[in-house]
Order: sequence, then C-alpha cells, then structure tokens
Amino acid sequence: SAVISQKPSRDICQRGTSLTIQCQVDSQVTMMFWYRQQPGQSLTLIATANQGSEATYESGFVIDKFPISRPNLTFSTLTVSNLSPEDSSIYLCSASPPTGGTALKNGYTFGSGTRLTVV
Amino acid sequence: KNQVEQSPQSLIILEGKNCTLQCNYTVSPFSNLRWYKQDTGRGPVSLTIMTFSENTKSNGRYTATLDADTKQSSLHITASQLSDSASYICVVTYSNDYKLSFGAGTTVTVRA
Repeated sequence: SAVISQKPSRDICQRGTSLTIQCQVDSQVTMMFWYRQQPGQSLTLIATANQGSEATYESGFVIDKFPISRPNLTFSTLTVSNLSPEDSSIYLCSASPPTGGTALKNGYTFGSGTRLTVV
Repeated sequence: KNQVEQSPQSLIILEGKNCTLQCNYTVSPFSNLRWYKQDTGRGPVSLTIMTFSENTKSNGRYTATLDADTKQSSLHITASQLSDSASYICVVTYSNDYKLSFGAGTTVTVRA
C-alpha cells in the first residue's frame, strides 16, 4: 500500500483565515480522498480528488469553503477557508491504488491527520 | 442513516484479556469489509480486509470474522496489550464503488 505524508499535523488558526493541508503519496495513485473527523465521530467524506479534473464534493461540502488541488498523481491539497470554530476538527487524506479492481481489494491508506483548532 | 453500526461504543479491558468488537452493516451490494485501528491523533491503519467469500482473516493478535448472510462482522483481540488502546473502525465498501462507509468506531482502553 502507498505511504502518505500529511502536513501540518496540527495547527491553531484565527477566525476568518484559511489553512492549507498537504498530502504527498510515495507512489502514483488514481484517486485521493479528503475526510473530516469531528471529535468522537467517524470519518465523513468531503470530496474525491482526481488528477486533471475538478474535485467531486459530497453533499454539504462546497468548493468555495474547501478548495482542493490535485496537480499530479502523487500530491493533493485541501484548503479550509474562512475558518470558524465549527471547522475545528481532524482532517485526513486517503489514497487508493491506481487500478480500480485492485483498489477494491487492497487497503485504502490514510495520512496521519491534521488537527485543526480555530480560535 | 448510517449503514454500518458498531458495538459497543467503548469498552475497558485489563491487559492480557481478550475482547470482541461487533459490526453490523446494511450496505448492499457488498464488496468488502475492512477493520482499521486508529490511535488518538493519528490516521486509521488497516488491520484486515475481507471479501464476501472470506469468513475469517487474522493479523497477529487480531482476528476478524465475516458472515455475509447475516451481514455481521467481529474483530477479536487476543491477549490485549496497552498499545491496543485505540479506536477500531469497521469500514464497508459497495460493489462497483470506491466510496467507503464508516462505522462510528469502538474505543478500546486497555488498563494494566
């Protein structure tokens, strides 16, 4: 499985500012995913990022608030914009292997997470 | 409505004891079921992956079972260690879909 380096691991940000989270994968992957995990809850998918196309957002998440970049097959960023205390959460990226059939069998790899606190 | 339900929500066990976590799902059509371990402040790490044709899979002291007929899975931890303290998440995948359905997790605390 791929190894993902995610940074920053944590940050404290002021209201109204933005935070950009980066994920670097050690191999080429077709799809990358961004999740939010609020305290004590499970992971919620924000969007799916494919290289060369716009990200696909889940219901309740919009591009203006969570712009995503996917410039190549090994890298993606998520920006959380116009921060409010409600955005305090853990944000995680994930990657699937490059082949669709293999992706269903192999483990999806996760980054180590970014703990965001908005004050 | 969450299509993956886990129980218990949390449990405390003594070091060296065994425990079993449960996962029930309604995802259909079903492709595979994964168990992940998530340490506090870290990303989930895969423990086991099972397709519908597999009914047991082991990874060291972790053993997962799957009954695709009743749509139930369990994760058994043998001879627990302090390092087993974590959240354990059951994740189910639809056939022909890359999206994952996550359970809310079971928080396991192992005490000396």
